[in-house]
Amino acid sequence: GENVEQHPSTLSVQEGDSAVIKCTYSDSASNYFPWYKQELGKRPQLIIDIRSNVGEKKDQRIAVTLNKTAKHFSLHITETQPEDSAVYFCAASKSISNTGKLIFGQGTTLQVKP
Amino acid sequence: DTGVSQDPRHKITKRGQNVTFRCDPISEHNRLYWYRQTLGQGPEFLTYFQNEAQLEKSRLLSDRFSAERPKGSFSTLEIQRTEQGDSAMYLCASSRDRGIMNTEAFFGQGTRLTVV
Repeated sequence: GENVEQHPSTLSVQEGDSAVIKCTYSDSASNYFPWYKQELGKRPQLIIDIRSNVGEKKDQRIAVTLNKTAKHFSLHITETQPEDSAVYFCAASKSISNTGKLIFGQGTTLQVKP
Repeated sequence: DTGVSQDPRHKITKRGQNVTFRCDPISEHNRLYWYRQTLGQGPEFLTYFQNEAQLEKSRLLSDRFSAERPKGSFSTLEIQRTEQGDSAMYLCASSRDRGIMNTEAFFGQGTRLTVV
């Protein structure tokens, strides 16, 4: 079945350091991979996404890489700041299903220490 | 706020009671989703609407759960005979249909259900 595994479950870094979160997916038909940030008590918000025709995408301090062969993708945050502290979720979906439903990972709690 | 809105934000109910939640998606979005999120987990897909048609339901959605989107705008999720295991955050999301290309899903703030 469809499954997304996410690691680590918690990550603590010093302000200014980099943080990397990794996800693997099971369905080789998956072709859209968004990352959501969820602050405590708030809604998940998209921070970056990547489609399967691209290997890497960057947006300021955030980047996502995709390895279709290995079926894994990663979120990279550079120069972390305390406001980056939140729970991050990766997700996968496939356009062939024509629903756009997202299969989420279990989440990573990122703590950035000042 | 022109984002996805959900009502109520919190609901406490006694076991065995019925509850209904409402979701108002972004107005031009014809795709609407319901997800359930328990503590420490990612959102789990429950059901999907394209306009007013319910096109997919998860096996997680037991017979006690029903969802509607009568005019292709707002949606309701009803849980009958609630059980303690139904306690969770219920999230609604909407997105624009662009054919075979998946687009960003915007989430509401959720309805937190507590069954006592």
